[in-house]
Amino acid sequence: EDKVVQSPLSLVVHEGDTVTLNCSYEVTNFRSLLWYKQEKKAPTFLFMLTSSGIEKKSGRLSSILDKKELFSILNITATQTGDSAVYLCAVQTSGTYKYIFGTGTRLKVLA
Amino acid sequence: DGGITQSPKYLFRKEGQNVTLSCEQNLNHDAMYWYRQDPGQGLRLIYYSQIVNDFQKGDIAEGYSVSREKKESFPLTVTSAQKNPTAFYLCASNNAGYNEQFFGPGTRLTVL
Repeated sequence: EDKVVQSPLSLVVHEGDTVTLNCSYEVTNFRSLLWYKQEKKAPTFLFMLTSSGIEKKSGRLSSILDKKELFSILNITATQTGDSAVYLCAVQTSGTYKYIFGTGTRLKVLA
Repeated sequence: DGGITQSPKYLFRKEGQNVTLSCEQNLNHDAMYWYRQDPGQGLRLIYYSQIVNDFQKGDIAEGYSVSREKKESFPLTVTSAQKNPTAFYLCASNNAGYNEQFFGPGTRLTVL
């Protein structure tokens, strides 16, 4: 059975801290891995990763994929209260084009 | 503005009633998806459709039905057979290939 596991489930940090969120996966036909941020309602897209070892970066956020060890990390540096959200990891499979989501990591950044 | 709309935003239903959640997109996307999200959990796939007039069951399709008569529309019916329908429902769409999914704002369904 295809599955995506995120850790930790929740995290509380103070502004300025750096956090690393983890996503591991076991899927039959990997196509891509995606990260989303969900604050109140609809998830918003952060990154899509398809190749190992290539870091994607957007401001204070970055992500990298390891297809050999089957995991990805999402780093957030110099955290701000606006980073408080649930961060979702999803893996898209080829063939069926389904997206399999992890349970998410709830991040709370304290001022 | 291009995007995905879902209606209603909030929906209350009595036990035993069927309800239909609307999802419309004007992004010209081929694929559309319905997910269910429960508190503290990720998104679970209910149904998805890659093309018009075709759709597949996801992981938790029991008690739900869908139709895809038009490219831009993918309504979800929550039937009385769904044992625990109270949840947040998200619709998403994307083009085929290596693309991110775009999400609608969601419908929060509460069964009274």
